[in-house]
Amino acid sequence: AQKITQTQPGMFVQEKEAVTLDCTYDTSDQSYGLFWYKQPSSGEMIFLIYQGSYDEQNATEGRYSLNFQKARKSANLVISASQLGDSAMYFCAMREDNFGNEKLTFGTGTRLTIIP
Amino acid sequence: ETGVTQTPRHLVMGMTNKKSLKCEQHLGHNAMYWYKQSAKKPLELMFVYNFKEQTENNSVPSRFSPECPNSSHLFLHLHTLQPEDSALYLCASSHQDRATGANVLTFGAGSRLTVL
Repeated sequence: AQKITQTQPGMFVQEKEAVTLDCTYDTSDQSYGLFWYKQPSSGEMIFLIYQGSYDEQNATEGRYSLNFQKARKSANLVISASQLGDSAMYFCAMREDNFGNEKLTFGTGTRLTIIP
Repeated sequence: ETGVTQTPRHLVMGMTNKKSLKCEQHLGHNAMYWYKQSAKKPLELMFVYNFKEQTENNSVPSRFSPECPNSSHLFLHLHTLQPEDSALYLCASSHQDRATGANVLTFGAGSRLTVL
């Protein structure tokens, strides 16, 4: 079974609008972490934001925020006031502690295109 | 530049060739990783090195041979590859984020490999 599900293969959003990228996860661990990475066409994956499973408040980092709904096992990324430079692939990932060996599992990604 | 440098950025090789991918980081990180990124598939973890010691081999075929001579350098030696091995190979290093305690990956831009 997939541990990270990103149901939106592609999205088109008007510049300056907010956008929500969906991510649901599956784990039986009590302690885990959720990440979002951005991959522009240049190839490198860029770390955006992190949410720990015990964090009570949603993580925020500039224009990025993570809408963490633990009971629903969702960790959606919200980008406010989108910019042309936000066009990229976005990956949700989950860290599970596997007998002290941290493993990061990625989703298949969402391609976001910002329209001027 | 992300701090993790990968060379070459593009590589085309025949199935009988032997080549190597190189990854270098001077971020002071002690863990380094190889990931494989194929189209429409999640990132696949291949190998993990901690303090130059291999701590993870994710059932990778022996035609991929990693080498970590020191904490700053990581190689992936390739021989007798198959066309299905064509992919983007991403190197990463990791550190613990002071604010969140999360183990954050810093990726290189990747080496695009095509096997003919």
